Amino acid sequence: GQQVMQIPQYQHVQEGEDFTTYCNSSTTLSNIQWYKQRPGGHPVFLIQLVKSGEVKKQKRLTFQFGEAKKNSSLHITATQTTDVGTYFCAGPAGAMRFGAGTRLTVKP
Amino acid sequence: EAQVTQNPRYLITVTGKKLTVTCSQNMNHEYMSWYRQDPGLGLRQIYYSMNVEVTDKGDVPEGYKVSRKEKRNFPLILESPSPNQTSLYFCATAMMIPFTDTQYFGPGTRLTVL
Repeated sequence: GQQVMQIPQYQHVQEGEDFTTYCNSSTTLSNIQWYKQRPGGHPVFLIQLVKSGEVKKQKRLTFQFGEAKKNSSLHITATQTTDVGTYFCAGPAGAMRFGAGTRLTVKP
Repeated sequence: EAQVTQNPRYLITVTGKKLTVTCSQNMNHEYMSWYRQDPGLGLRQIYYSMNVEVTDKGDVPEGYKVSRKEKRNFPLILESPSPNQTSLYFCATAMMIPFTDTQYFGPGTRLTVL
């Protein structure tokens, strides 16, 4: 069956450093979504990517959807302590599969 | 205020004692889904529903039942809970335009089966 893999599993950065998490699907995705979950909280929707090669930005966050629609990435520029949490990719719509997540910790 | 509510938030029960976790939304969303979250495994989909009276299995449906008799509610039923169903459960909802858009997650239900 379809698998969604995410790397790295953990990332520890110094505040101000950049951070990237990568998501790969075993099959082509119609769309991909990204979520953030703070410790002890529930997943919160960040963005949805639909088009091949799509790039979207939200302030310091940049999301990309691969040309083949099988991979995606989330890049955070100049991390802050408020970025701490676990970032998940998920897709496709309906029968949704989540990656295992990348847990980001930020040292002040 | 847009809300997804789950009850109970915490539950400790014993093996074999039937239980229901409720999920309710006030956003008139067609799509509702249940996930379980376990350390190192991320979120795994149990069941989902595209609309009233339409339900489909996710990746880990064994040991669970759901029903969607009305749009706003999507209860998760464990007929005979076992310790391996100890987990954190999330309900989520979304509009369908034409596929699921933003998923809104409930606060979670932490279930322990002894």
